[in-house]
Order: sequence, then structure tokens, then C-alpha cells
Amino acid sequence: GQQLNQSPQSMFIQEGEDVSMNCTSSSIFNTWLWYKQDPGEGPVLLIALYKAGELTSNGRLTAQFGITRKDSFLNISASIPSDVGIYFCAGQLRSTGNQFYFGTGTSLTVIP
Amino acid sequence: DGGITQSPKYLFRKEGQNVTLSCEQNLNHDAMYWYRQDPGQGLRLIYYSQIVNDFQKGDIAEGYSVSREKKESFPLTVTSAQKNPTAFYLCASSIGSGKALNTEAFFGQGTRLTVV
Repeated sequence: GQQLNQSPQSMFIQEGEDVSMNCTSSSIFNTWLWYKQDPGEGPVLLIALYKAGELTSNGRLTAQFGITRKDSFLNISASIPSDVGIYFCAGQLRSTGNQFYFGTGTSLTVIP
Repeated sequence: DGGITQSPKYLFRKEGQNVTLSCEQNLNHDAMYWYRQDPGQGLRLIYYSQIVNDFQKGDIAEGYSVSREKKESFPLTVTSAQKNPTAFYLCASSIGSGKALNTEAFFGQGTRLTVV
């Protein structure tokens, strides 16, 4: 299947710091999605992006759909302890019947 | 309350037994998906269904089977042919490409299957 390269694999940050993570692909996606997963739970959708160049915010989270449509980034500002979890990017590919493809995740640890 | 419900949350199975994981959604979504998640890895697609009575194999379908007799339900059977079935299984649904070009996937809470 399609590969999404997500980085970094893990992050350890102090509370209050900003966080940035990104995903890249060799394919052009028509939708980029960002999810957060807590241990033992299903991923929860944070932000959905539909157009190249689109910049969307959800509280302290901001994500952008890259101009080339092959990448996306997620920023978290002023991190707090409850931001801890695994963040996944996902892309939807029209040429494969709108299947979703997922990155390998970024594990975020926030140190109080 | 609309959503996707997976059951059970934890499941133990003896080697050589088949087991069925339940996934139900009341979001009126056409498309449903099953993913497998192993530690440190992304989600891998097992099977998906775009419409009732139709489904396709994903990247790792061997040892699994599904049915889609109702729009709301997409059960996954892990058969004894699956060589390494211990994993976290996630079900998801989306509106479907027939109704929207850009869609989002929504997930259930997951089922952790352990083979003992």
C-alpha cells in the first residue's frame, strides 16, 4: 500500500512548548487528516484538510495541506499534559477508490 | 448518540479457534473499514466495504474474512489461518466516495485480541 512518512517518530517536550510534526508522501492526496490516539483507544479526528495550501486551526492545533498535495504538517502550540498521545496523519487517495493511508505515528510526551 | 461501536474491547482466543469482532455504526455511512495496529506501526488495512453486500481485500487480508449484510454492520472474523492474530483491531467508517469526494474516517474504540 501507499507509504506515508511521518516524523518525528517521538518527541519529549516541556509543558508550554510548541510542537511540530509532518507527513510526506510520494503520492498526491485529495484529503489530509490528523488524528490523536490515546493508549488502548481508537484514533480521534483532530483536523481535516481538503485543499492544497489550506491552513486550518482547532484550538491550539494548526494543520496545513501542502501546496504540492504530497505533504502536511501539524503544529500544537503551548503544549499541556493532556496533549500526550500518538498523533497520526492520514491521506485519502482518489485513485484507489478513496482509501485512507496512515503514517506510523508521532508519540508525544509532555513533561510537566 | 451517533458513532461507531466495537465489541468486545478485550478478547482472548485459543490457538486454532476462529473469533468474530463486531463493528456497528449509526452514522448512515456507506463505507466501512477494518485495520490492524501493531506496536510502533501505522494502521494496516485488512478489508473494506464501499456498499452493502460488497467488500474488497486490503493489504493484509490473509487469514481474515468479513461480511456486509447490513449497512450498519461490518463484522470481522479472525480465522485460525491467521498466523499472528494478536493485535489491536480498529473499525472505521466514512460517508463513502459515492456521496462525497473528500471524506473523513471515524473510528471505533478498538478491540484488543490476544491469542493464548
